[in-house]
Amino acid sequence: EPEVTQTPSHQVTQMGQEVILRCVPISNHLYFYWYRQILGQKVEFLVSFYNNEISEKSEIFDDQFSVERPDGSNFTLKIRSTKLEDSAMYFCASSGLTGQPQHFGDGTRLSIL
Amino acid sequence: QKEVEQNSGPLSVPEGAIASLNCTYSDRVSQSFFWYRQYSGKSPELIMSIYSNGDKEDGRFTAQLNKASQYVSLLIRDSQPSDSATYLCAVSMDTGRRALTFGSGTRLQVQP
Repeated sequence: EPEVTQTPSHQVTQMGQEVILRCVPISNHLYFYWYRQILGQKVEFLVSFYNNEISEKSEIFDDQFSVERPDGSNFTLKIRSTKLEDSAMYFCASSGLTGQPQHFGDGTRLSIL
Repeated sequence: QKEVEQNSGPLSVPEGAIASLNCTYSDRVSQSFFWYRQYSGKSPELIMSIYSNGDKEDGRFTAQLNKASQYVSLLIRDSQPSDSATYLCAVSMDTGRRALTFGSGTRLQVQP
């Protein structure tokens, strides 16, 4: 069964450094998403992406965050200057045509020191 | 502010019993409802989706939706120890293209 692939599985970064999280969505999906889950808390929506542009974003997704689809397969989340509170699991998800649910990748655990 | 509320549990049921998980949501324009299962340290895994009032069955799982009461539930029949996980209710304003708003999840423990 096709799946969403995320790399790396764990990223450790010094506070203030830039980090890029990578995702390969399911190949025929058109809508891509990033969510995060701080330890012990709810899964929170960050941003959705369709047709090479952001279609929706939450209050969490401020100027330090950006997303990009650099080629036909990858979807990336960049955090420009990481803060301690950015430590969380980051999940990428994708969905196909209207009516199809979102499927999640295994996540990247981001630890900011 | 869209809210999705779930009892955090733990809900403990014996093996073979029916587990009933409940969720309420605040935004009346919500159109799509999903149940995800999340094992500790893992990602959400889609269990069921439901879009219209009534029941939807898939194997041992039945999702129930009542839009008038803003209530969605998940029944797990013949519960197995492997069903022990946190079950997340998620709600969207659209049929999959829009952001999901998650509840905090209900932890289910199935006792052998």
